Amino acid sequence: GAVVSQHPSWVICKSGTSVKIECRSLDFQATTMFWYRQFPKQSLMLMATSNEGSKATYEQGVEKDKFLINHASLTLSTLTVTSAHPEDSSFYICSGKLAGGEQYFGPGTRLTVT
Amino acid sequence: AQSVTQLGSHVSVSEGALVLLRCNYSSSVPPYLFWYVQYPNQGLQLLLKYTSAATLVKGINGFEAEFKKSETSFHLTKPSAHMSDAAEYFCAVSPSGNTGKLIFGQGTTLQVKP
Repeated sequence: GAVVSQHPSWVICKSGTSVKIECRSLDFQATTMFWYRQFPKQSLMLMATSNEGSKATYEQGVEKDKFLINHASLTLSTLTVTSAHPEDSSFYICSGKLAGGEQYFGPGTRLTVT
Repeated sequence: AQSVTQLGSHVSVSEGALVLLRCNYSSSVPPYLFWYVQYPNQGLQLLLKYTSAATLVKGINGFEAEFKKSETSFHLTKPSAHMSDAAEYFCAVSPSGNTGKLIFGQGTTLQVKP
């Protein structure tokens, strides 16, 4: 199947700083990319949906000014956590979807805010 | 609102035994239903999906699931567990067709004992 990569796989940052997470579809063009958040031992929660060249659509309760999503190309989407705080520590997972086709998930990025 | 409930956060079976992972959904419209598997440090991998065709869906690695509308269930089964099946399993519903927006259950950790 198609491959989605995320970088970095693990990042530690200090409270108040910003961190960027990249999501790339390596062998297909993802017309839509999704960002999920997963707390330990819990389910994945959809944060936002982004289409290439368009503004992301955020789920209710997700602060769009805190979680900046950019989908500049059909193979790259980035999530920037601005002014990170310890409560933002989590596992962030992206996925890419072919138009009318399957959805493929990245391996996730573990964010730890100290 | 759509939701997914996975009964049992942890299931333990012996190698060669039947695997049964339970999933119940709530949806006001005919749903698309999915089962994903997550191995450590890897992205979610699609096991199988129901898209309103046959109610018995066969997936990869010998897994199958049956859609039962009367019971609003989509339980995952495998006749004989292998050690390699040990992983986290997520049931998900897409309330709006194949758009890619997924609502996940809480996940079930499958342990396979030798």
